[in-house]
Amino acid sequence: EAQVTQNPRYLITVTGKKLTVTCSQNMNHEYMSWYRQDPGLGLRQIYYSMNVEVTDKGDVPEGYKVSRKEKRNFPLILESPSPNQTSLYFCASSPSSPGGGYGYTFGSGTRLTVV
Amino acid sequence: GNSVTQMEGPVTLSEEAFLTINCTYTATGYPSLFWYVQYPGEGLQLLLKATKADDKGSNKGFEATYRKETTSFHLEKGSVQVSDSAVYFCALSDYGGFKTIFGAGTRLFVKA
Repeated sequence: EAQVTQNPRYLITVTGKKLTVTCSQNMNHEYMSWYRQDPGLGLRQIYYSMNVEVTDKGDVPEGYKVSRKEKRNFPLILESPSPNQTSLYFCASSPSSPGGGYGYTFGSGTRLTVV
Repeated sequence: GNSVTQMEGPVTLSEEAFLTINCTYTATGYPSLFWYVQYPGEGLQLLLKATKADDKGSNKGFEATYRKETTSFHLEKGSVQVSDSAVYFCALSDYGGFKTIFGAGTRLFVKA
């Protein structure tokens, strides 16, 4: 089954404790992206990647890191989480850049709480 | 910069009613336009898309037409069901661009 898999689904952590949210896709997609979803704000893009070793900032990259060492994986790293990063996070992939008219396949989401 | 504006919700309808969710956009050039649906506790799913002016996207009884003259991409369905209750997001991607911008989402409740 074609899918984007995120882990974990739920995570509660303390301020300053480094964490990684994993994302993997099995569709050989070139493009991957991370979004956060907050009430009333819709989805805001954190980082995206056009291909292996090619990443760029989205609209809200502060406090986050990403890497793309393999085509299928695109982990999101919070090196020193803060309470304002409490949110619902989604990983998404598409065959190529979204400007080419390709829609996203989304993961099921990771609900992160930072206390 | 680019932006997407959706009608505020929630929208509450009775089963078999006609649905319209308004979406207007601001963009340079010729963006691709999308509607996504998010059911409770799930990720977003692509519902339909259109990539050029006057294109009509359709799926599962939902339709939306890319109107460049009014910069709109309104979502419609002729007869909603309880199972259509969800949050609907309008989105755009610039032609040749690397980012997708989402609207704030519109929650739809359908009563039996």
